[in-house]
Amino acid sequence: GQSLEQPSEVTAVEGAIVQINCTYQTSGFYGLSWYQQHDGGAPTFLSYNALDGLEETGRFSSFLSRSDSYGYLLLQELQMKDSASYFCAVRVAGTGGFKTIFGAGTRLFVKA
Amino acid sequence: EAGVTQFPSHSVIEKGQTVTLRCDPISGHDNLYWYRRVMGKEIKFLLHFVKESKQDESGMPNNRFLAERTGGTYSTLKVQPAELEDSGVYFCASSQGAGAYNEQFFGPGTRLTVL
Repeated sequence: GQSLEQPSEVTAVEGAIVQINCTYQTSGFYGLSWYQQHDGGAPTFLSYNALDGLEETGRFSSFLSRSDSYGYLLLQELQMKDSASYFCAVRVAGTGGFKTIFGAGTRLFVKA
Repeated sequence: EAGVTQFPSHSVIEKGQTVTLRCDPISGHDNLYWYRRVMGKEIKFLLHFVKESKQDESGMPNNRFLAERTGGTYSTLKVQPAELEDSGVYFCASSQGAGAYNEQFFGPGTRLTVL
């Protein structure tokens, strides 16, 4: 079957750096995405990695190693507003196209 | 441009009742997805429409769930009769394309509570 593993909770202080890891077991893998969701809000897209390596977008970076079936989201210069749930998601071959499979999410608490 | 909208935001019903959730995707997005998140667990794929056609409904849990997208615009997801385990947040998402790299835009979800 398809599965993703990510920590359930992470706590960090404002201004720090935090890394949220994601390991996956899938077939038909195409890429790894990250989504952010604030309480009661819509998940919003952060990044997509199809190739190995690090992609940087402002304070957020995402990394993928296809050979290790592993990726991470790196958040730098943490701000209080970064407190949210972060979901890794894999893009895999599905019926007639592609399908997105999500992890259970990592709840990030940023403390002052 | 308006984002994905969902109605209602919350619904509380009793076991055995029927509930219909609605999703309005971003205008022009042919691809529409339904997902469900049960408390603390993963956001689970339910199905995928391309325009009015069901492209992939492999995630639908059972025949108590019926999704439609008549006319290829908004979509409804009906649960009949609802059971306790159907409680959760139902998300709708839409995208312009359905390629491997494909940003999905999510709605805020409908929180369904079955008592």
